[in-house]
Amino acid sequence: GQQLNQSPQSMFIQEGEDVSMNCTSSSIFNTWLWYKQDPGEGPVLLIALYKAGELTSNGRLTAQFGITRKDSFLNISASIPSDVGIYFCAGHPYNFNKFYFGSGTKLNVKP
Amino acid sequence: NAGVTQTPKFQVLKTGQSMTLQCAQDMNHEYMSWYRQDPGMGLRLIHYSVGAGITDQGEVPNGYNVSRSTTEDFPLRLLSAAPSQTSVYFCASSRDSSYNEQFFGPGTRLTVL
Repeated sequence: GQQLNQSPQSMFIQEGEDVSMNCTSSSIFNTWLWYKQDPGEGPVLLIALYKAGELTSNGRLTAQFGITRKDSFLNISASIPSDVGIYFCAGHPYNFNKFYFGSGTKLNVKP
Repeated sequence: NAGVTQTPKFQVLKTGQSMTLQCAQDMNHEYMSWYRQDPGMGLRLIHYSVGAGITDQGEVPNGYNVSRSTTEDFPLRLLSAAPSQTSVYFCASSRDSSYNEQFFGPGTRLTVL
């Protein structure tokens, strides 16, 4: 099946620092999505990317759809304590009804 | 709108027992899916449905059955629970399979002893 490699697995940063995480796939994806999961909750969509090269922002979050269609990254600028959680990338291969998720990046922000 | 609801929130089973995890959505979404989440493995797709009466297998379907008799409901059945099925289960829905924003339920934490 599809494999999504997400890195890093975890990060410990100071409040105010910028954060970057990325995801690579073994095949071409039609869509890239970034989700955040808070403890005890289901994932919530942060950003959706639909075109190769697309760069999209949502407040302090910026994500890009790689031009090879096999990767994506998420940046968080000026992190704050409420950014704590697990961030997942997810992809949708062309012509498939299935979504595939990365293993997640656990973000810890020290005040 | 309640969005996606799941019941129960917690469940403990003994090996060999059966049970059904319930999932319902009130957004008239065509696409519904079930995932399991295990530490360090992200979410893995178990089964999905593109509409009432249509279901298909995901990455890890073994040991699970689904049906979709209505647009709103998509129950997940464990016929004979095994310790390997200890996990957190999430149901999700989206408008259709090409509209990519999936809305997730709050999850069911299942422990099989």
